[in-house]
Parts: sequence; structure tokens; C-alpha cells
Amino acid sequence: GAVVSQHPSRVICKSGTSVKIECRSLDFQATTMFWYRQFPKQSLMLMATSNEGSKATYEQGVEKDKFLINHASLTLSTLTVTSAHPEDSSFYICSARDRTGYTEAFFGQGTRLTVV
Amino acid sequence: QKEVEQNSGPLSVPEGAIASLNCTYSDRGSQSFFWYRQYSGKSPELIMFIYSNGDKEDGRFTAQLNKASQYVSLLIRDSQPSDSATYLCAVRSGGSNYKLTFGKGTLLTVNP
Repeated sequence: GAVVSQHPSRVICKSGTSVKIECRSLDFQATTMFWYRQFPKQSLMLMATSNEGSKATYEQGVEKDKFLINHASLTLSTLTVTSAHPEDSSFYICSARDRTGYTEAFFGQGTRLTVV
Repeated sequence: QKEVEQNSGPLSVPEGAIASLNCTYSDRGSQSFFWYRQYSGKSPELIMFIYSNGDKEDGRFTAQLNKASQYVSLLIRDSQPSDSATYLCAVRSGGSNYKLTFGKGTLLTVNP
């Protein structure tokens, strides 16, 4: 299957600081990338959809000024959690879609964010 | 609101048995259905996808889809302790909307 890589896999940051998470498609060009968040014992919730070269589309209830998404190239999207707070601690996972429309079923390895 | 429902479990089966996981969805326009396995602390891993009514088999796994009943299932034959994980059902609507809607997952425990 398609390979999607996330970095870092774990990050601990202080409350009030910002954290950047990278999502890369390694063997295909990702026209669209999806960012999910998963709280403990909960399912994945889509946060936003980003298309290369354009603004991200955020799901209802997700603050776009807090979760900044940049999809500047066909292989890289970044999610920046600004002014992080303990309630932002979660597992963040990305997936990416190419022009065939099937690769979005494959996820990156996820990033465990802990805000202290 | 589009919903995907799964029995949260836990579902416990003995090693070698068949594990049956079920999922129902509310959006009749859904066209693609996915089963994922997620180990604790890890990202979901795609097991199978199915688009057409009927059965689809891949090794020990069989996905079954009944669009009339809005029901999709996953059977795991010869269950192994390594199959112990949370199984997530995901549904994608048709058209240009490629969003996946996930169920909350079913925790499966295979006892040696």
C-alpha cells in the first residue's frame, strides 16, 4: 500500500507553545491530505482536509486559527498546534490521497502529543 | 449526521475460532467500506475494503457487505492472539466527498 510518514511520533511540549507535525507521502503525490485526531478509547475524528496549494477545509468545531495546516507541496503537509493546552493532548494521524482516490485509506504512524 | 455504529465489545474468542465483527451505517449514499485494525498506541492499519454487495475474502479475513441493510461485517477465521486489537469500521460517501467516517471500534481479544 501507499506509504505515509509522520514526524515526530511523540512530542511533549509546554502549555502555550506551538508544535508542528509533518505528514509526508513517500511513494506518491498527495493531492489531498487529511488530518485526524483520536482521543483515548475514541474513534478517529476528521479535523481538516487540505489540498495542495490551497487553504484547508476544517470540520465543524475545529478552530482553524489554532490548528494551522499547510500543504505547500504534493508530498508534504504540516499541522501546527498553536498555543497548545493540555486538552489538545491527543493522537494526531494523517492520511493522503493521490489522483486515483484510493490511497487515503492508508495512514501515517501518528503523532502522540502531550501538553504539560 | 452520518453515523457508523459498532459494538464496542470487548469481544472475546478462543484461539482458532471465528471472530465476527459488525458495523452499521446511516448514509445510504455510502459507497466504500473499510476495516482497520488498530493496536494500542498505534495508527490504524488497513485490513480490507469492499465496494460491492456480497463477500470479499483475503486470507483469513472476509468482509461482507449488504447495502440494503446498511450493514458490513468482518469475519476473522482461525483467530490468533496477535489478532487482539481494536477493529475500526470506516465508511466513505459517494461523489467527490472522500471523507471517511469511523465507528468507535470493537475491541477483540483472542485467548490462547
